[in-house]
Amino acid sequence: TQLLKQSPQFLSIQEGENLTVYCNSSSVFSSLQWYRQEPGEGPVLLVTVVTGGEVKKLKRLTFQFGDARKDSSLHITAAQPGDTGLYLCAANFGNEKLTFGTGTRLTIIP
Amino acid sequence: KAGVTQTPRYLIKTRGQQVTLSCSPISGHRSVSWYQQTPGQGLQFLFEYFSETQRNKGNFPGRFSGRQFSNSRSEMNVSTLELGDSALYLCASSVTARTRTDTQYFGPGTRLTVL
Repeated sequence: TQLLKQSPQFLSIQEGENLTVYCNSSSVFSSLQWYRQEPGEGPVLLVTVVTGGEVKKLKRLTFQFGDARKDSSLHITAAQPGDTGLYLCAANFGNEKLTFGTGTRLTIIP
Repeated sequence: KAGVTQTPRYLIKTRGQQVTLSCSPISGHRSVSWYQQTPGQGLQFLFEYFSETQRNKGNFPGRFSGRQFSNSRSEMNVSTLELGDSALYLCASSVTARTRTDTQYFGPGTRLTVL
């Protein structure tokens, strides 16, 4: 059974601060996606990374895919209240099913 | 282009009843996947349909079933409801559901409460 563990589970920081959330697995995955989910809505895809060591930037968000393809991180610079939400990583372990992580609930305090 | 729509948005049922949830994918998308989201277990894959065929299945009991119609709309059914079936049920559509390269678009979900 492939499991994706995210840390921290909860994170509450002040507006303007930087933060990093992590997604780790004991198994190699072929691709990794990051989603953000807001209350009352479904998850929205932020990025897909497919190459080990890959780094992608989306405005203030930086996504990194570990060299060993077992971990990924999401770094947010100068957090804003609009970044508040549930952040989910989701991996493809080669079977075309998405396995979702445990989630990080992020709250940005104005 | 309209997004993924799910009906109903909220549902309250009692133990032992059955329920049917509906999902209309984005126009042109042929793949529909269903997920269950709970606070304890997170988001878990139920099954995926492509061109009316179940192509992939998660680890859920046989009480959970689904189908897809020729217009790509999908339904999922849960029979003999249990308290633990209370969850947010999400459907996602994509062109091919090749998760490595294709984008899945999620609907807002159906919140099912079992009393």
